[in-house]
Amino acid sequence: KNEVEQSPQNLTAQEGEFITINCSYSVGISALHWLQQHPGGGIVSLFMLSSGKKKHGRLIATINIQEKHSSLHITASHPRDSAVYICAVSSRDDKIIFGKGTRLHILP
Amino acid sequence: DAGITQSPRHKVTETGTPVTLRCHQTENHRYMYWYRQDPGHGLRLIHYSYGVKDTDKGEVSDGYSVSRSKTEDFLLTLESATSSQTSVYFCATDEGTDTQYFGPGTRLTVL
Repeated sequence: KNEVEQSPQNLTAQEGEFITINCSYSVGISALHWLQQHPGGGIVSLFMLSSGKKKHGRLIATINIQEKHSSLHITASHPRDSAVYICAVSSRDDKIIFGKGTRLHILP
Repeated sequence: DAGITQSPRHKVTETGTPVTLRCHQTENHRYMYWYRQDPGHGLRLIHYSYGVKDTDKGEVSDGYSVSRSKTEDFLLTLESATSSQTSVYFCATDEGTDTQYFGPGTRLTVL
């Protein structure tokens, strides 16, 4: 079993829809990261969080430490949000473990 | 943008040849990492460095070596490339805040 699991693996939605991507992990962590990989391949960090919730523009990330679960939400989705979203955790023994990613496609 | 460049961006080589990939950063970040990304897998750590001449193995280090003689450069070497090393390689840096900044990637094909 992978230590970081994302769901869904693939998601297609219409422009304007509210999007939720989930991440579950099985190890003790010091932080959780959400990354975005653009169709051209570049990877950018969106959020790093260890508790609660963070918001940046239309993106919201939440984490529930007790349930070992995080969600990434996108409000008013747009075709330019189409990308692969990657969840990663910094484990307590200083490893970074990546999920396999969720491929999001927003249709105009 | 942490000013991370990778070279080359694309390379095709033959089995058994040596290959060196370069990662260069302009931000003076202490930590640097090499990952590979393959279909069906998340990013996997090959090697990392926590300072000049200080490196350590990651999850998938077999067949790879690294060197860091200057803060700004982290080299990944495949001594004798194999087809299983066909992948996209990403370099990343970290200034110690646990947020990583990624390079643009190098697509390596080993025939």
